[in-house]
Amino acid sequence: QVQLVESGGGVVQPGGSLRLSCSASGFTFGSYGMHWVRHTPGKGLEWVALIWYDGSSEGYADSVKGRFTISRDNSKNTVSLQMNSLRVEDTGVYYCARFVTGLCFDSWGQGTLVTVSS
Amino acid sequence: EIVMTQSPATLSVSPGERATLSCRASQSVGSNLAWYQQKPGQAPRLLIYGASSRATGIPARFSGSGSGTEFTLTISSPQSEDFAVYYCQQYNNWPPFTFGPGTKVNIK
Repeated sequence: QVQLVESGGGVVQPGGSLRLSCSASGFTFGSYGMHWVRHTPGKGLEWVALIWYDGSSEGYADSVKGRFTISRDNSKNTVSLQMNSLRVEDTGVYYCARFVTGLCFDSWGQGTLVTVSS
Repeated sequence: EIVMTQSPATLSVSPGERATLSCRASQSVGSNLAWYQQKPGQAPRLLIYGASSRATGIPARFSGSGSGTEFTLTISSPQSEDFAVYYCQQYNNWPPFTFGPGTKVNIK
């Protein structure tokens, strides 16, 4: 069955950096677009970033553009989110999710908590 | 950016009493609308896609309807495990994918 496992969350000071990873199994990873979605106290669910199945294209929410970078390694079945210049408002649980055309986000990881605080 | 709104913010229902949740888009999203259920400490779960199609394993008591800008999620006879927060999300015009603020379904 489809399994997505995030890691890399933690506590970081404002302006700091963190790298999240999501390990996928149970499906042909290289055939699917992958996304990061976060749940924050202030905004509820918020889409963060996407990367196409082959890594050829990326997209970002305006709130993270220029600070976050999504990447993937199809040989290792992983998708990552490099987060720089972190702000207090980036605090939340970060989920990786699989995108299926027509279904949208059909599978989600359990999430990893990011806390940005001084 | 398409803005999604949901009403009510909180809905109190008795087990077995029909629950109707509404979602509105700021512009047409066709049928590219999904509903997710989220319980505390858990990841969102896809319930409905394409505005009215149930995802794999979702009980028949969940149904979705609507198109364009107005959508409804109905829980025909809520069970105890259905008390959660429900989010609608459009995937017609992206990026960004946009979610509604959620409706919390409580036990009355």
